Amino acid sequence: DAKTTQPPSMDCAEGRAANLPCNHSTISGNEYVYWYRQIHSQGPQYIIHGLKNNETNEMASLIITEDRKSSTLILPHATLRDTAVYYCIVRVGNNAGNNRKLIWGLGTSLAVNP
Amino acid sequence: EAQVTQNPRYLITVTGKKLTVTCSQNMNHEYMSWYRQDPGLGLRQIYYSMNVEVTDKGDVPEGYKVSRKEKRNFPLILESPSPNQTSLYFCASSPGTGKGMNTEAFFGQGTRLTVV
Repeated sequence: DAKTTQPPSMDCAEGRAANLPCNHSTISGNEYVYWYRQIHSQGPQYIIHGLKNNETNEMASLIITEDRKSSTLILPHATLRDTAVYYCIVRVGNNAGNNRKLIWGLGTSLAVNP
Repeated sequence: EAQVTQNPRYLITVTGKKLTVTCSQNMNHEYMSWYRQDPGLGLRQIYYSMNVEVTDKGDVPEGYKVSRKEKRNFPLILESPSPNQTSLYFCASSPGTGKGMNTEAFFGQGTRLTVV
């Protein structure tokens, strides 16, 4: 089972920041938080990941709470093309076993409205 | 351009007719895997491969086979497809380098399979 909880859907106005929450209250000390998105049944697209520090790249920012039990993905200026399902996944970063699989939940369906 | 390429993108077939979905990556990744995606169930891993000639079962391997004869290719084989294998399939690959990035980073565009 997925170790994260996300709201099933959210709306955001075009040009505004989209803040997508994720709860991961049982996260372990060596587990990273990963975010992916999937646009209309296309292949999932990696967005960002982090361990405990906030992270930023050209796509988004990831804010992780100090206790690491929740995080927020921020799309600073959402566009219509950001309409997608966003997945928050926690996983051990340094691969201890052979399988690097991700355990996917159902994500948050973000609708960016004009 | 770095990419994972799947073929075909769409396929309709009949029960019992063997088929192969190809997957190729041009990034020299060692790790590759296959997922299926079904409504309400999310993505579930079928098989994975750590390297050439090294493959193992994921969570839902029944009815599928894979092979990894070359590093770049990881075909998914359905020897005798059944209607319950109607699904959206994704191939993924991983660079396995960089702290925390030992996970799938690149996905193909998907193959929508219908078995009638």
